[in-house]
Amino acid sequence: NAGVTQTPKFQVLKTGQSMTLQCAQDMNHEYMSWYRQDPGMGLRLIHYSVGAGITDQGEVPNGYNVSRSTTEDFPLRLLSAAPSQTSVYFCASSYLGPEMSEQYFGPGTRLTVT
Amino acid sequence: AQKVTQAQTEISVVEKEDVTLDCVYETRDTTYYLFWYKQPPSGELVFLIRRNSFDEQNEISGRYSWNFQKSTSSFNFTITASQVVDSAVYFCALTLYNAGNMLTFGGGTRLMVKP
Repeated sequence: NAGVTQTPKFQVLKTGQSMTLQCAQDMNHEYMSWYRQDPGMGLRLIHYSVGAGITDQGEVPNGYNVSRSTTEDFPLRLLSAAPSQTSVYFCASSYLGPEMSEQYFGPGTRLTVT
Repeated sequence: AQKVTQAQTEISVVEKEDVTLDCVYETRDTTYYLFWYKQPPSGELVFLIRRNSFDEQNEISGRYSWNFQKSTSSFNFTITASQVVDSAVYFCALTLYNAGNMLTFGGGTRLMVKP
């Protein structure tokens, strides 16, 4: 199993450009999510999904879109990049069930917006 | 809304010292889960432990131990006989039972273990 994969590892964008961060998991997890990590602030939830066709907003959703057409994939779209979106982005997945399982994180994408 | 506070932003110890990382949380819910994750210099997030709010037993795993106290809303993490490989950022996180798997993270504690 590859686990959770993310591409690209690094990306530099100019203000106003758009791009999609890719995330895929091969563990058949229902739950997938995107977090951003900024210094001193831990990780903050951007968007999440509890299954194909179902997405919802997290704590910091502005400027980002998501969709979930398959169980495996959960791409994150930046519509018009801003310097405030410079961050490290992590995708995570987990089972959904009565016992809360741990989340498996991808390796992260380091994004710089100039 | 829930909140997780890791008041220690950076800790520096010498190898073989014991070190405790503090985690204090706030929630009005009675059913929740607490987690610790490790982020080594390579950047990935490594799951260490999960604890539900009904289980206040302390846990020990090798050199690692966790002390969960509901009375003080704390879930502290102790590394015994620290090693250089323990150098990392450690995150404490909380999720509510009825909130899916949405994690609220603390700001993290950077631990530096010097030889």
